[in-house]
Amino acid sequence: DAGVIQSPRHEVTEMGQEVTLRCKPISGHDYLFWYRQTMMRGLELLIYFNNNVPIDDSGMPEDRFSAKMPNASFSTLKIQPSEPRDSAVYFCASRKTHAGDSSGELFFGEGSRLTVL
Amino acid sequence: AQSVSQHNHHVILSEAASLELGCNYSYGGTVNLFWYVQYPGQHLQLLLKYFSGDPLVKGIKGFEAEFIKSKFSFNLRKPSVQWSDTAEYFCAVINLSGNTPLVFGKGTRLSVIA
Repeated sequence: DAGVIQSPRHEVTEMGQEVTLRCKPISGHDYLFWYRQTMMRGLELLIYFNNNVPIDDSGMPEDRFSAKMPNASFSTLKIQPSEPRDSAVYFCASRKTHAGDSSGELFFGEGSRLTVL
Repeated sequence: AQSVSQHNHHVILSEAASLELGCNYSYGGTVNLFWYVQYPGQHLQLLLKYFSGDPLVKGIKGFEAEFIKSKFSFNLRKPSVQWSDTAEYFCAVINLSGNTPLVFGKGTRLSVIA
């Protein structure tokens, strides 16, 4: 299994530009999560989807952030316009609905390191 | 709401020292418990997990954790740390009453010095 795949791995952009981060979850996983990690705030849950439907986006910091999941194998996190305080590592993770021994276990992607100048 | 507390923000140990990282959670119902590790510059990886049965769980690289239900705790231990254990460690809990997200603690940074 290829695992959770994220792109790009690194992104450097200027303030005001649009940023799009991409995620391909593990095949068969019906939950997808977007997290942000910074030194100051640690690991924060931004939004999560179940069967492609957003379930809870209360962690999305503001309207500049949006996320979509058009199908079971692809999700995007968009920041428009980007600001320097958005600089962080963004992780995507996926899992299956509670079932057997894998109940609740999250599988993380390698992350996308975003730097906004 | 569910919460997870990790008591130590940063722990510094010499090689071969014993390790114990504290983790307490607030939810009183049935939960599954996890420890994840994040090596420098990498993503989070599962270290070990508890679902049911023996409350002493053994994971990879010589780590173990003990679930003490009466104390709502799931502390991580290793008898003798190595320099390669330098990483950040996250405790996480999921409530089994619904398909809700994993709740993570704020993490404990472990630095192992030679």
